[in-house]
Amino acid sequence: QKEVEQDPGPLSVPEGAIVSLNCTYSNSAFQYFMWYRQYSRKGPELLMYTYSSGNKEDGRFTAQVDKSSKYISLFIRDSQPSDSATYLCAMSAESGANSKLTFGKGITLSVRP
Amino acid sequence: DVKVTQSSRYLVKRTGEKVFLECVQDMDHENMFWYRQDPGLGLRLIYFSYDVKMKEKGDIPEGYSVSREKKERFSLILESASTNQTSMYLCASSKLAAKNIQYFGAGTRLSVL
Repeated sequence: QKEVEQDPGPLSVPEGAIVSLNCTYSNSAFQYFMWYRQYSRKGPELLMYTYSSGNKEDGRFTAQVDKSSKYISLFIRDSQPSDSATYLCAMSAESGANSKLTFGKGITLSVRP
Repeated sequence: DVKVTQSSRYLVKRTGEKVFLECVQDMDHENMFWYRQDPGLGLRLIYFSYDVKMKEKGDIPEGYSVSREKKERFSLILESASTNQTSMYLCASSKLAAKNIQYFGAGTRLSVL
């Protein structure tokens, strides 16, 4: 079993839809969970960063972590065409200099006008 | 704004050539990374450097070497390019104690013919 599994996609939704992107993981030591967004022909950029279980909201984006199920989600409300991008989950056991990020493979989202 | 600049967006090289990919960051970050990104395989870490002249192997270092002579510059070297090194190469940087928060360049798409 791979350490981080992410739905392969691609995913296509109409504008205004609620989008749910998910990752599962096997390493129970992971405590720090991130979502990176990558636009076409660009590098990834950090979108959300959470620690341990719970929810974190930032505008239309909500990151959710369920450590008991080893499952994380990114919800996008009122999706916009500008949200069309590849979304990568990433996680690590530590936050400091010894941290090692493990990325999911990414899912490409397309929001249709 | 953090800026990570990769010297080339596209490169075409021949098998057996020595290839240099250059990356410069302007935020005085201690950590710098080289990844390759392939469809279906996601982001994979090639090498990492936490200080000038210091380097650590990532998950897939075979066939690559790196050089960090100055804090702001990190070079990836393909000693003898092969067709299986055709890929998107991404450089990233981070603060020493914030390794999870990485800033990426736009990438270099390398084709080895």
